[in-house]
Amino acid sequence: KAGVTQTPRYLIKTRGQQVTLSCSPISGHRSVSWYQQTPGQGLQFLFEYFSETQRNKGNFPGRFSGRQFSNSRSEMNVSTLELGDSALYLCASSLRWGSPGELFFGEGSRLTVL
Amino acid sequence: AQTVTQSQPEMSVQEAETVTLSCTYDTSESDYYLFWYKQPPSRQMILVIRQEAYKQQNATENRFSVNFQKAAKSFSLKISDSQLGDAAMYFCAYRSGPGNQFYFGTGTSLTVIP
Repeated sequence: KAGVTQTPRYLIKTRGQQVTLSCSPISGHRSVSWYQQTPGQGLQFLFEYFSETQRNKGNFPGRFSGRQFSNSRSEMNVSTLELGDSALYLCASSLRWGSPGELFFGEGSRLTVL
Repeated sequence: AQTVTQSQPEMSVQEAETVTLSCTYDTSESDYYLFWYKQPPSRQMILVIRQEAYKQQNATENRFSVNFQKAAKSFSLKISDSQLGDAAMYFCAYRSGPGNQFYFGTGTSLTVIP
């Protein structure tokens, strides 16, 4: 069974631009969550989607948004990029929202903002 | 908000020796879940071990075991017979219940010395 797939793996943007990251969960998994990972900050929760609906949202500005499609694939978008948005963005999937089980992570998308 | 604290940014251990990684958390909940995740240099994070708060028995997975002290809100990870492949960033995580978000610590970077 294929794991969580994130694209692109690496990208470089400049301040003010926007970026869209994609995540395909493990087949059969319907919940997708997103995290921002930076050195010293660990993983910060962005949001979680299930059945195309946002179920939880972290404490990030409105420039960060996401969505989920009917096939459970998810995208996150960051508009008006700032230098501080440089980070590894991790996507994780689980069977369903409300499941107490583990998260399965992708390898991440490394965003560099210049 | 719940917080998860990992006070050891870096740890090292000799191959075949035992090492303990510390984690404390803050919560007012009585039922919750605790996790240790491992992130090798390739970046894909995987679950090492999990513990349900209502279970008094400490979880064990082969060479990995936890010391769960509910009253002290402490959840340490012990790695026995350390191997070179154990070198990674380790994250402690907390989840108050199904449907609620995960909270992660800032991580502990473990080096295994041959």
